[in-house]
Amino acid sequence: EVQVVESGGGLVQPGGSLRLSCSASGFMFRKYWMSWVRQAPGKGPEWLGNIKRDGSTTFYVDSVKGRFTISRDNAKNSLYLQMYDLRSEDTAVYYCARIRGDTGDYGFDYWGLGTQVTVAS
Amino acid sequence: ETTLAQSPAFMSATPGDTVTISCKASQDIDDDLNWYQQKPGEAAIPIIQEASTLVPGISPRFSGSGYGTDFTLTIYDLESDDAAYYFCLQHDNLPWTFGQGTKVEIK
Repeated sequence: EVQVVESGGGLVQPGGSLRLSCSASGFMFRKYWMSWVRQAPGKGPEWLGNIKRDGSTTFYVDSVKGRFTISRDNAKNSLYLQMYDLRSEDTAVYYCARIRGDTGDYGFDYWGLGTQVTVAS
Repeated sequence: ETTLAQSPAFMSATPGDTVTISCKASQDIDDDLNWYQQKPGEAAIPIIQEASTLVPGISPRFSGSGYGTDFTLTIYDLESDDAAYYFCLQHDNLPWTFGQGTKVEIK
């Protein structure tokens, strides 16, 4: 069974940092592009970025470019989201998602349950 | 950036009804649009991919249509289990973007 499970969320002060993890199981992790998505309260989901199968290529939405970094460790079947300079508007549930297919073009076929990140003093 | 205008934000319908949710793209995205269903406490699941292809295992009561800029998700013969949050995603161009979502309530 394909599973992706996020962890690492919590309360952080403005300007702080946080690293989220996503543990994948039930599929050959190294063969899939992966992604992070977030959803703030009362808003639709927001795509944050994608990472290629081997980690060599990443894409980001402008709102997090330079502050967030997506990485992966295929040996550990894990995806990461390192977040710096967090702001109140980064408060959201953060989801890890698998991208369908091997080209990274087809949208998501599996999502996690998410981990809550709250940025507040 | 492609904006997706999804409507309505909320709907309340009766079992047996047919309901439609619209997603309008601000530019041509071919058929690069997926629909997702999310229930409280559960992971989101894809129900329609490439605008009109039913995801294997999803009830045929769900149907997707559209191409270019106008897309529709239709749920036929609504059941109580269809109560959920539905949203569209365009994966035609970066940044990928989502609709604001539709909460479907069953009366």
